[in-house]
Amino acid sequence: KAGVTQTPRYLIKTRGQQVTLSCSPISGHRSVSWYQQTPGQGLQFLFEYFSETQRNKGNFPGRFSGRQFSNSRSEMNVSTLELGDSALYLCASSFTGTSGGASYNEQFFGPGTRLTVL
Amino acid sequence: AQSVAQPEDQVNVAEGNPLTVKCTYSVSGNPYLFWYVQYPNRGLQFLLKYITGDNLVKGSYGFEAEFNKSQTSFHLKKPSALVSDSALYFCAVRDMTGHSGAGSYQLTFGKGTKLSVIP
Repeated sequence: KAGVTQTPRYLIKTRGQQVTLSCSPISGHRSVSWYQQTPGQGLQFLFEYFSETQRNKGNFPGRFSGRQFSNSRSEMNVSTLELGDSALYLCASSFTGTSGGASYNEQFFGPGTRLTVL
Repeated sequence: AQSVAQPEDQVNVAEGNPLTVKCTYSVSGNPYLFWYVQYPNRGLQFLLKYITGDNLVKGSYGFEAEFNKSQTSFHLKKPSALVSDSALYFCAVRDMTGHSGAGSYQLTFGKGTKLSVIP
């Protein structure tokens, strides 16, 4: 199976611009989550989509938004970019498994999109 | 709220020696714990998980982790380190904060520990 793919891999923008990042999950996975990784804050959860619906959201301002399409592909959008938005944005797709009677989600991460805001 | 602590920013170990990367957690309810590894300019790769069952969990690339409920720890271990193990390691816990429906969840990560294996 192909892994999680993210496009573009690298992006340079200037303050005030907006950006759209794309994520294609592993075939059959219906959940897609987005994370922001920075040296200062580490890995932080942005949001999760399942069947085209956002079902969980982290503590990020409204400039960060996302959506999921019927084929489970997801996009995230950042408007009015700030210098602090420079980060590696990771997408993860997941499936639900069971272990010892307990269900869990196992996440598979893409290589990320490196966004630099100048 | 759930939290994960990785007390060491960096761990140095000689090749062939055993390695331990520490992780402690704080959760409400049963913990679902994970270890991921990140190589430079790469995404996160799953190493292992603890959901329930045996406290000693075996994962990829010869890694294992021991779940200790009384100490709320989930340390990552490997009997004999390789230079190729040098990478950034993240411990994570399933975060039920803001849980909005069956199956909905997010991962809360530790800050990461940089492992350097010295030849």
